[in-house]
Amino acid sequence: DIQMTQSPSSLSASVGDRVTLTCRASQTISSYLNWYQQKPGKAPKLLIYVASNLQSGVPSRFSGSGSGTDFTLTISSLQPEDFATYYCQQSYRTPRTFGQGTKVEIK
Amino acid sequence: QLQLQESGPGLVNPSETLSLTCSVSSGSINSRGYYWGWIRQPPGKGLEWIGGIYYSGSTYYNPSLKSRVTISIDTSKNHFSLRLSSVTAADTAVYYCVRDTRHSTYEAGGWFDPWGQGTPVTVSS
Repeated sequence: DIQMTQSPSSLSASVGDRVTLTCRASQTISSYLNWYQQKPGKAPKLLIYVASNLQSGVPSRFSGSGSGTDFTLTISSLQPEDFATYYCQQSYRTPRTFGQGTKVEIK
Repeated sequence: QLQLQESGPGLVNPSETLSLTCSVSSGSINSRGYYWGWIRQPPGKGLEWIGGIYYSGSTYYNPSLKSRVTISIDTSKNHFSLRLSSVTAADTAVYYCVRDTRHSTYEAGGWFDPWGQGTPVTVSS
């Protein structure tokens, strides 16, 4: 299985901060990397697909980059509604696997 | 806007079979280009992909669960289902159904969108 490792596991940030989350795959996955946002008690929501494509309806302050094994999700200016847990997921090989998540908390 | 809704028992006895259904509305499950899948999340933990099914019936499963999992589809009712046999407490989780954009032929590619709201299932006697 392809292991996905996210860092940090959690972070504290303030409204307006620029935040960068990292996801690393245990082997190359080309650009087959997706990002999801999950708020407590809710289902995950797709933010970014194929590494850098913004899902329709997602604010432009979210962006994704990377290829191969290293990927990043950036929030350019953190908003109150962005406090959540973020998961990366590879779709290069079966089984599809997720990172363990990065929890973004209010400082 | 496509919507997915899970349904099924919230409590299952150990060693028995967990059965869930996902009803799809505002769209047809019988459309080319999409798989339909299941993902679960144990309490306080991360996400685990279970498997998916194409409208034609072709399936792909997580090898760690494959011996116990069956995903089926009923295009006449516009829903698909999950069966997980011989459950233990480790199968306690919120179960989500999803649309999976994986290509019907190529393994690589795809993402999960949208998601159902999730249904909690507890395995306990």
